[in-house]
Amino acid sequence: QQQVKQSPQSLIVQKGGIPIINCAYENTAFDYFPWYQQFPGKGPALLIAIRPDVSEKKEGRFTISFNKSAKQFSLHIMDSQPGDSATYFCAASAGYSGGGADGLTFGKGTHLIIQP
Amino acid sequence: NAGVTQTPKFRVLKTGQSMTLLCAQDMNHEYMYWYRQDPGMGLRLIHYSVGEGTTAKGEVPDGYNVSRLKKQNFLLGLESAAPSQTSVYFCASSPMGLAKNIQYFGAGTRLSVL
Repeated sequence: QQQVKQSPQSLIVQKGGIPIINCAYENTAFDYFPWYQQFPGKGPALLIAIRPDVSEKKEGRFTISFNKSAKQFSLHIMDSQPGDSATYFCAASAGYSGGGADGLTFGKGTHLIIQP
Repeated sequence: NAGVTQTPKFRVLKTGQSMTLLCAQDMNHEYMYWYRQDPGMGLRLIHYSVGEGTTAKGEVPDGYNVSRLKKQNFLLGLESAAPSQTSVYFCASSPMGLAKNIQYFGAGTRLSVL
């Protein structure tokens, strides 16, 4: 049972373009939605995250758009650069304000290539 | 400032052999996690711990055991390795409170079971 569906699996964009990666979730208990960036041979690293009380969050060239009613969220990379080439994972967790820690449920990942 | 350190980085096992993967964090984090990453599958949670001496099962716990005897260490054991356990294993940690959702990952252990 996949609780977070991510698309596309792979994406090739020209330098300066705006790659968009989409995720959809089913569990309405999810209340925290991070994106992780992973370079080859490295562990994932937190890129940006959003909570469902806002519809958009920007950090530098990275923007998350969130649609609570549709249970979807997406990552946009403005003015993309070859150095942004990596695998991107969306994720979700429940109990943001609670005392426990149940880990993250990850999407399957998007392999992004930014061509010079 | 090491963060999360995993040892070993690579390992090849034969079916039926056992091994332990070590994760150490120097950030005084309460929570620690073990994930496995397989091509096209993303990362899946194996086990996690919310504090020293406590562990809990994640999404794919079968065939694995864990221990958290010290706050800074989280061990993942394979008692009888199977080819299906060929994967890249990642350890992560996070602090308590609202920041618990910010997980810091190690560089991974690449395991092949022949």
